[in-house]
Amino acid sequence: DTGVSQDPRHKITKRGQNVTFRCDPISEHNRLYWYRQTLGQGPEFLTYFQNEAQLEKSRLLSDRFSAERPKGSFSTLEIQRTEQGDSAMYLCASSSLLGDGYTFGSGTRLTVV
Amino acid sequence: GNSVTQMEGPVTLSEEAFLTINCTYTATGYPSLFWYVQYPGEGLQLLLKATKADDKGSNKGFEATYRKETTSFHLEKGSVQVSDSAVYFCALSDREDMGRRALTFGSGTRLQVQP
Repeated sequence: DTGVSQDPRHKITKRGQNVTFRCDPISEHNRLYWYRQTLGQGPEFLTYFQNEAQLEKSRLLSDRFSAERPKGSFSTLEIQRTEQGDSAMYLCASSSLLGDGYTFGSGTRLTVV
Repeated sequence: GNSVTQMEGPVTLSEEAFLTINCTYTATGYPSLFWYVQYPGEGLQLLLKATKADDKGSNKGFEATYRKETTSFHLEKGSVQVSDSAVYFCALSDREDMGRRALTFGSGTRLQVQP
């Protein structure tokens, strides 16, 4: 078990471009979460999957954001037409059905210039 | 709605000093409470947790007690080390379905321990 993996670690993109991030959770974990963390703040919930079903989305997840988990394993988070306000650390976490605490990945740091 | 308030940092201590990081919460139900730690360049790691009133979570010399009467979950350590330098986040989750519900985090407290 290598923990939760996120790719890439860093992404710099120009405003208006689309970006996609990938998260590979712990293999036996059914639940997968995406959070966003801005500088000096705690993580904020974006969305949650149980297996391949997206069960909850935050109001923070505007229509430019889309997340998928097609086979109930890895997940992708896409941001279309990026804006400077999207610059943040995007964190992925996974947990078992027991929900006994999350395991977080190291995050993808997005910088929109 | 749920919210978590942490003391602002940075907290700067000398090695072997006593640490307290205050955390208070507001919740509509009976949440589970967590402390996470984030070392530079890394993701968040679960440090300790408590799931009901008067529970004490402990790990690596850190402790926190779930105080329902004061809605608090203060983090303490008797003797800090340089390696404890990190950002500490207090968090809660809705106890009714801990696995499903999102965690609500505080804004984090940076701890700097000087040799």
